[in-house]
Amino acid sequence: SAVISQKPSRDICQRGTSLTIQCQVDSQVTMMFWYRQQPGQSLTLIATANQGSEATYESGFVIDKFPISRPNLTFSTLTVSNMSPEDSSIYLCSVAPGQPEAFFGQGTRLTVV
Amino acid sequence: AQKVTQAQTEISVVEKEDVTLDCVYETRDTTYYLFWYKQPPSGELVFLIRRNSFDEQNEISGRYSWNFQKSTSSFNFTITASQVVDSAVYFCALSRNDYKLSFGAGTTVTVRA
Repeated sequence: SAVISQKPSRDICQRGTSLTIQCQVDSQVTMMFWYRQQPGQSLTLIATANQGSEATYESGFVIDKFPISRPNLTFSTLTVSNMSPEDSSIYLCSVAPGQPEAFFGQGTRLTVV
Repeated sequence: AQKVTQAQTEISVVEKEDVTLDCVYETRDTTYYLFWYKQPPSGELVFLIRRNSFDEQNEISGRYSWNFQKSTSSFNFTITASQVVDSAVYFCALSRNDYKLSFGAGTTVTVRA
């Protein structure tokens, strides 16, 4: 398994602003992902964070709205840009450290007002 | 395309009753992985079990057991002798070799004392 630390754990932000979420893993991992969980909903994959190259986005998600950085094999950031109330969600970082199962950070609970 | 269906939205039981969660999946891949995750009220996503498509052996792990049937594309999960701490949202998920997870809608389990 892996220990994943996400910061911040929660935040309340004004619409139109941006928030950067950090994800730190205690070991080097190749595969790192970002998911979104809208209120009362299931989890949806936003993108795969690739080390040394651009992130790979899923359908419905774009780099301008959710820019992702992956400077090394233990760290990634997700930015939620130009926020609106519809962006209020839990954002989760996930890693797959060589096993089929993925492990998750504790999530960032974002509220946009 | 992959799809996971959890038909049960909510289940409420009294402590010590058994709880069975249903999961039906769709995939065109011959190699795939199935998972159950637990999300307690605190929000983090906890990995519970994984099953490979090529291994239909059903197992028991403590109070958890699962029933994987390829013929009906089902991957059901049972909690035996439920406890209040089992109250959570349970997600069934599916992935290929790329570690990207497709989640079901989730089933909310409430265990009453």
